[in-house]
Amino acid sequence: DAGVTQSPTHLIKTRGQHVTLRCSPISGHKSVSWYQQVLGQGPQFIFQYYEKEERGRGNFPDRFSARQFPNYSSELNVNALLLGDSALYLCASSLAQAQETQYFGPGTRLLVL
Amino acid sequence: GNSVTQMEGPVTLSEEAFLTINCTYTATGYPSLFWYVQYPGEGLQLLLKATKADDKGSNKGFEATYRKETTSFHLEKGSVQVSDSAVYFCALTRLYNFNKFYFGSGTKLNVKP
Repeated sequence: DAGVTQSPTHLIKTRGQHVTLRCSPISGHKSVSWYQQVLGQGPQFIFQYYEKEERGRGNFPDRFSARQFPNYSSELNVNALLLGDSALYLCASSLAQAQETQYFGPGTRLLVL
Repeated sequence: GNSVTQMEGPVTLSEEAFLTINCTYTATGYPSLFWYVQYPGEGLQLLLKATKADDKGSNKGFEATYRKETTSFHLEKGSVQVSDSAVYFCALTRLYNFNKFYFGSGTKLNVKP
């Protein structure tokens, strides 16, 4: 089975622009979570979606939003990009809403200039 | 609140040396504990986990024991290989109604032949 896939792999934007990142979970997984990993740090939780509804949100501004589609894929949107948004964005999927084991994708590396 | 503290790296060892990476946590109640590994240019892979006190997680020669009395989950391996070179993240989760993980800042391991 394919693992978690993310697109694009790399992205360069300028300050003030908008970006959309995409994630496809492992087949059969209904939960998708998003994390931001700044260089040299551990991942920070942004959102969890389960059955197309937001189930959890981390300490990120409203410029960050996400949604989950009927096929359980997900998009992360970031508006009004700041230099500090430059990071690796990781998507993780799991079977259920509160399933312990999460499986991570390779990430999308975003550079904001 | 919930948090994870890891020893700072990088840790440089010769092949076949013994590895210990320290991890301590702060959490209310009884969290589940994890070690994830990140190889260069890749996402996070689950290495091992433990869900209750005194549990020992193990995988690929790596071990970690959930110590409630010392709030620790140290990662050990008896004989490291060059292929173990990666960044190791300790993490915890509390299963409320969503699957939020708290990660440490990561410890980079370099193994020299």
